[in-house]
Amino acid sequence: GAGVSQSPSNKVTEKGKDVELRCDPISGHTALYWYRQSLGQGLEFLIYFQGNSAPDKSGLPSDRFSAERTGGSVSTLTIQRTQQEDSAVYLCASSLRQGANTEAFFGQGTRLTVV
Amino acid sequence: AQSVTQLDSHVSVSEGTPVLLRCNYSSSYSPSLFWYVQHPNKGLQLLLKYTSAATLVKGINGFEAEFKKSETSFHLTKPSAHMSDAAEYFCVVRDQGGYQKVTFGTGTKLQVIP
Repeated sequence: GAGVSQSPSNKVTEKGKDVELRCDPISGHTALYWYRQSLGQGLEFLIYFQGNSAPDKSGLPSDRFSAERTGGSVSTLTIQRTQQEDSAVYLCASSLRQGANTEAFFGQGTRLTVV
Repeated sequence: AQSVTQLDSHVSVSEGTPVLLRCNYSSSYSPSLFWYVQHPNKGLQLLLKYTSAATLVKGINGFEAEFKKSETSFHLTKPSAHMSDAAEYFCVVRDQGGYQKVTFGTGTKLQVIP
């Protein structure tokens, strides 16, 4: 597609349930990022995929969070046993690895509300 | 390793006066540097980028930034603030070598007073 696509755009879930958030990056972009933005806060890095390299998971806040990227394209962020503090906007971005046009392009985000 | 520091979490200016949003970075390689803007309840939009060409970079909406290697800075400026500039601004660094991960600053909220 023309841009980074995230689904769903909004998700309301009950505390304790698992959720899956999906990101379709721009075709050909080898780098993919997940960030979290809580109300009134900056961007919190979660995880970074770059090609076939091992992902940088250093930002995942707990072992309830995991992400995978199948076939170097679509990525899924999974949150198990959701808690109220997981409520935030989850942003996905993709970029080319090399070249002058190396900015990250962002999706519109998934707003997660845990009730 | 790389990092980026936005020195001010909030900046307030009067409409028509200059804007200065400060950013300092550290990078193990030659960096690419970016400024993004996020208006309330909107997505992130690229304002401008530096990728080792001209050190003074012009972006959208009259913003510009100057890469100063000696000061490891990439401050964002605009000669005259407009009400529509009120938003949050993020400085971003990406190493052009190594793992090439993108790192965001903590953001600066710009308030424009009429």
